[in-house]
Amino acid sequence: SAVISQKPSRDICQRGTSLTIQCQVDSQVTMMFWYRQQPGQSLTLIATANQGSEATYESGFVIDKFPISRPNLTFSTLTVSNMSPEDSSIYLCSVEVEDPALRDTQYFGPGTRLTVL
Amino acid sequence: AQSVTQPDIHITVSEGASLELRCNYSYGATPYLFWYVQSPGQGLQLLLKYFSGDTLVQGIKGFEAEFKRSQSSFNLRKPSVHWSDAAEYFCAVGALMEYGNKLVFGAGTILRVKS
Repeated sequence: SAVISQKPSRDICQRGTSLTIQCQVDSQVTMMFWYRQQPGQSLTLIATANQGSEATYESGFVIDKFPISRPNLTFSTLTVSNMSPEDSSIYLCSVEVEDPALRDTQYFGPGTRLTVL
Repeated sequence: AQSVTQPDIHITVSEGASLELRCNYSYGATPYLFWYVQSPGQGLQLLLKYFSGDTLVQGIKGFEAEFKRSQSSFNLRKPSVHWSDAAEYFCAVGALMEYGNKLVFGAGTILRVKS
């Protein structure tokens, strides 16, 4: 598997501001993903972030609202821009490891709990 | 489009009793299927997965799941539940996209364990 860390673990922000969430992996991975888990809800994929290419966003999510960076094979950031209370969620990153025996399996970070006031 | 249904929002079982969490999926091809567990305030931990082969899959913490193609189901079971199993359980199907695998999650089932 992989050890994945996220910063910050939680934050409380004012509406209209932006927050950047970091995701760090202890090994090089090609595939990284960002998910949102709204209160009491399941997980929804925001975008896929592959190193060397622009992120691919799911329907309902746009780059202006959720810009993503993927500067190398162990790191990615997700920014939640111009926040509103509706953005209050847990944001999780996940990765697919390079081990062929573990292919097509996603491992998740601990999540970032965001509250927007 | 791919979808996952977990019909039970909450389940309560007694400690030591057996457990079965239901999961039904919709996917046009052979599915990749997963069960994850999320403890309060935690991220998701992979319990087990099914890609192909033996339809009965063993996972961590004594869990197993059985893939039944005819019923489009992938139910999670445990013969004897421990109080530490109280958590939320998510079933997911992996859908192969152009840019990688996308996980589509069910709504989750919250497991409560009573002593």
